[in-house]
Amino acid sequence: GESVGLHLPTLSVQEGDNSIINCAYSNSASDYFIWYKQESGKGPQFIIDIRSNMDKRQGQRVTVLLNKTVKHLSLQIAATQPGDSAVYFCAEKAQGAQKLVFGQGTRLTINP
Amino acid sequence: DAGITQSPRHKVTETGTPVTLRCHQTENHRYMYWYRQDPGHGLRLIHYSYGVKDTDKGEVSDGYSVSRSKTEDFLLTLESATSSQTSVYFCAISESIGSWLDTQYFGPGTRLTVL
Repeated sequence: GESVGLHLPTLSVQEGDNSIINCAYSNSASDYFIWYKQESGKGPQFIIDIRSNMDKRQGQRVTVLLNKTVKHLSLQIAATQPGDSAVYFCAEKAQGAQKLVFGQGTRLTINP
Repeated sequence: DAGITQSPRHKVTETGTPVTLRCHQTENHRYMYWYRQDPGHGLRLIHYSYGVKDTDKGEVSDGYSVSRSKTEDFLLTLESATSSQTSVYFCAISESIGSWLDTQYFGPGTRLTVL
C-alpha cells in the first residue's frame, strides 16, 4: 500500500540515464544531511549522508552534492535502474539537535 | 531494516480504544524515535527516547505517550484512538548525536486505521 504523499513532485527518467533529485533546506545552522529512499509499503532506507564541511560525497552509483551558499542539496543516481523507482527525500539536522527535519520528497519513476 | 522490527504491522481499531505499537531493536542503539507519515505532511516526529526511561516530545505528541523500560524496546501508546491518528507509524534508531553515527535507521512501519 502507498505510504507517502500522493501529490509529490515527480521526476521521470529513462532507464540507463542519470537522475538528479534536488532538495532545498532553510536552516543555515544545519550541518548534517541525509538522503533516504522509500519504496511503496516500506520504511525509509538510508542512502548516503554528508557533513557541512564537505561539498561532495560519493557512494555506489550515488553522489550527494551540497551547496551551502544557496542551501541546496542534490542526489545524483548514475545509470538509473527500475529498482531505483521510489520516493526520495532529504533530511537535515542542526549541530547538537536531536531531531531530523525531513523534506516532502520527490517521486522517481523509471521509463523503460 | 537495520535490526528493527515493529509490531503489529497492520491494525484496524475503533475510535476510543487504546492501542500500543511496539518497536524492537537488536542494535543496542541509544536513541529511538516514533514518527508518523501522512500524505502532504511527510515524516513528523511524535516522541523520542535518549535512553532507558528518558523520553521527550516531538512536534505532534498530543494524544500519544511512550515508554522505554529496556534499551531494545520503545512503545507508543494511543490512550484513546481517534480517526485523525490513522496513519503509518515508523520507528527509527540512531547510535549517537553529533557524530557520523547519528544517522537514523527506520523500521518497516505499522499501518494503523482508526474507524
